[in-house]
Amino acid sequence: AQSVTQLDSQVPVFEEAPVELRCNYSSSVSVYLFWYVQYPNQGLQLLLKYLSGSTLVKGINGFEAEFNKSQTSFHLRKPSVHISDTAEYFCAVSDNQGGSEKLVFGKGTKLTVNP
Amino acid sequence: NAGVTQTPKFQVLKTGQSMTLQCAQDMNHEYMSWYRQDPGMGLRLIHYSVGAGITDQGEVPNGYNVSRSTTEDFPLRLLSAAPSQTSVYFCASRARSPNTEAFFGQGTRLTVV
Repeated sequence: AQSVTQLDSQVPVFEEAPVELRCNYSSSVSVYLFWYVQYPNQGLQLLLKYLSGSTLVKGINGFEAEFNKSQTSFHLRKPSVHISDTAEYFCAVSDNQGGSEKLVFGKGTKLTVNP
Repeated sequence: NAGVTQTPKFQVLKTGQSMTLQCAQDMNHEYMSWYRQDPGMGLRLIHYSVGAGITDQGEVPNGYNVSRSTTEDFPLRLLSAAPSQTSVYFCASRARSPNTEAFFGQGTRLTVV
């Protein structure tokens, strides 16, 4: 069964600073990886996803993530954050095994961007 | 472009009361699921369905029932609410393929007193 670990529960940064939100996954087969963002009092929306091919994927709002198979990681990065990026970010994984409809989420990382 | 619609947005229940959280999607997705979100716990899967007439338990199914009579609707029932069920509930749908994204409703904030 797959699992996801988000290594930081909270990440405070200053506006225009770079940020990295870390995600490690565990699965015995090929995986598909996702990052979702949740703004206050809203549902989740997709930031980006890795399916196959290039290990660097670009998403909305200037975010990107790099898939590293050897380190089983899928860290999310942004070179310069804005106040509006304040939100909770969730890493998620699904795979090709039976029950692959399930999307397993990490516990989330709260990003707070301070002026 | 309705996507996934959840009702109600807010609800307060007394311990022991029952209620149904509604979820509807208009994208003809086979797979639908219910999650609960609690502080520091992320999203935990309650129940899911891979098509009309087919449901299965997720990680935290106790105290909840589901049914799937149509592709569009996937209601979540609390038969006898408990304070431990105070949470934010999200319904999601996706096409039945592991490489597709899930679409989420706006959530239902439930308080059991």
